[in-house]
Amino acid sequence: QSALTQPRSVSGSPGQSVTISCTGTSSDVDAYNSVSWYQQHPGRAPKAIIYDVTERPSGVPDRFSVSKSGNTASLTISGLQAEDEADYYCSSYAGTYPVIFGGGTKLTVL
Amino acid sequence: QVQLVQSGAEVKKPGASVKVSCKASGYAFTGHYIHWVRQAPGQGLEWVGWINPNSGGTDYAQKFQGWVTMTRDTSITTAFLEVKRLSSDDTAVYYCGRLSGSYIDYWGQGTLVSVSS
Repeated sequence: QSALTQPRSVSGSPGQSVTISCTGTSSDVDAYNSVSWYQQHPGRAPKAIIYDVTERPSGVPDRFSVSKSGNTASLTISGLQAEDEADYYCSSYAGTYPVIFGGGTKLTVL
Repeated sequence: QVQLVQSGAEVKKPGASVKVSCKASGYAFTGHYIHWVRQAPGQGLEWVGWINPNSGGTDYAQKFQGWVTMTRDTSITTAFLEVKRLSSDDTAVYYCGRLSGSYIDYWGQGTLVSVSS
């Protein structure tokens, strides 16, 4: 099972919006509404920011939103803040292969 | 509050085995699958497998089948990951995480396993 495809890096200035794409296949992202996103700061464990494609865990601001079209899910972070600088990983359920991750995207806040 | 507390860092020689523990507290241990995910230095997240603490059933990623074993001890609400025949490629931070529905909502702090001769 191949990893989901994410851009290696994205950047934006404070207050701007950035979008991170996550492309899978008809066997994972397109097949299930079980895409989740994780934020990871250096030296820290990942933290879930989105689950079931568009749901946000308690405490996650609505600046984080997701859309999905076919086999691609896209995370948009609006009103960029310095603390958003981190690595972001998408993940999807994939049937017989329960969990696959994207390769990760490094977000730099300029 | 929900907590997953992992055992400390390990240094092992190639060919050895390592067993990492993940102590759960603050919730019904048998009510949520535990996933294990590893992250090699400077690399992304890699799913290793999961264990159902209620039944002890497991599912491993294909590349890990045959050389990782996940177990649990419900009396001490702890899950374990054993990796055998370690090589330098296994140097990574190993995380446990609690599955809630379709995503991992709580993570352990991670355990660094270093493999070096």
